[in-house]
Amino acid sequence: GQQLNQSPQSMFIQEGEDVSMNCTSSSIFNTWLWYKQDPGEGPVLLIALYKAGELTSNGRLTAQFGITRKDSFLNISASIPSDVGIYFCAGQPGGYGGSQGNLIFGKGTKLSVKP
Amino acid sequence: DSGVTQTPKHLITATGQRVTLRCSPRSGDLSVYWYQQSLDQGLQFLIQYYNGEERAKGNILERFSAQQFPDLHSELNLSSLELGDSALYFCASSNRPGGSYNEQFFGPGTRLTVL
Repeated sequence: GQQLNQSPQSMFIQEGEDVSMNCTSSSIFNTWLWYKQDPGEGPVLLIALYKAGELTSNGRLTAQFGITRKDSFLNISASIPSDVGIYFCAGQPGGYGGSQGNLIFGKGTKLSVKP
Repeated sequence: DSGVTQTPKHLITATGQRVTLRCSPRSGDLSVYWYQQSLDQGLQFLIQYYNGEERAKGNILERFSAQQFPDLHSELNLSSLELGDSALYFCASSNRPGGSYNEQFFGPGTRLTVL
């Protein structure tokens, strides 16, 4: 089945540093979503991308939908302690003509921030 | 708060038993999705309902079934439970059946423990 390769698996950074993570796939996606999950909680939607090449920001977060529609990246600038958590990319496969909405998730990037 | 509610928060049961997980989507959302999150498999799509009708099926076992009621809440039924069914079960909702601009919002999840 379709899979998303998300990297890195984990990051341990200093407060104030910038962070970059990405997802790649062998298949085309028509939507890329980035979520953050805290322990024991549900994933929270951070950024949604719908067009190839689209670059979208949400505060200190910036994400891009790759031109090939097979990849996406998420950047976090000037990290702070509350950025700690697991970040997931999720793609909605293309080709269903809008009839199905299931998401395929990456394995996540665990971010730890040292004050 | 995503607006998606799930009950119960925690469920502990024995092998061979049957349980029902409940989800209420955000107001106005017609699509409900069920996902399973385990340590080894990550977030996996199980099934989608749109306005009462099954829309998409993922890696859902035959022992599992779901339905969406006229008031749009959904229930996931898990039967003949096995130890390996222990996981977090998430419900998500969106206002579209699929295609572009299909942002999915997740509930807080139900943690199922099978002993």
